Amino acid sequence: QVQLVESGGGVVQPGRSLRLTCAASGFTFSSYGMHWVRQAPGKGLEWVTLIWYDGSRKYYADSVKGRFTISRDNSKNTQYLQMDSLRAEDTAVYYCASRNELLHAFDIWGQGTMVTVSS
Amino acid sequence: SYELIQPPSVSVSPGQTASITCSGDKLGDKYTCWYQQKPGQSPVLVIYRDSERPSGIPERFSGSNSGNTATLTISGTQAMDEADYYCQAWDSNTGVFGTGTKVTVL
Repeated sequence: QVQLVESGGGVVQPGRSLRLTCAASGFTFSSYGMHWVRQAPGKGLEWVTLIWYDGSRKYYADSVKGRFTISRDNSKNTQYLQMDSLRAEDTAVYYCASRNELLHAFDIWGQGTMVTVSS
Repeated sequence: SYELIQPPSVSVSPGQTASITCSGDKLGDKYTCWYQQKPGQSPVLVIYRDSERPSGIPERFSGSNSGNTATLTISGTQAMDEADYYCQAWDSNTGVFGTGTKVTVL
């Protein structure tokens, strides 16, 4: 069964850090670029970051550049999102997603994990 | 930065056709896909590469893309199609989502 499972969300104070984890199963994780997409409460989807299949390249939305770091461990079929210097506007559901290069689209999504930045 | 603009809402009667537009500069030069999202759920891919349907997506969902506008069409709309819909494209290695459209089946 193809699956992405996020974990690590929670409530954190502004300026603090949090690390999200996304565990993959049911497909060849090491062949896919992996992404994080977020959705603030009542708002639309926002692409956050991408890491290439081998971890050699990473790309970030301007809103998180310099504060968030994406990484992956292909031996564990897992990707991570290290979020530092968190702000209230980072409050959102964070989805892990896999892009299918043939489809040019996200065909696998996790269930999401909620991050709330509040004092 | 690249932007994709959608109408905030579309209303449709059951059995009728709903059309959702997605506008962006030279969008027709890029592949566009569409996602359906129901409350409390993760997005689901309904159209990829402008007009292709993933397996399991009903034939009533179709797409097109030309010039500056991509369009998602739902023919014979059913109550179960009530949801938020997002277009999405790629600008270099950056993913861009549309502003989202809420489809209401009256």
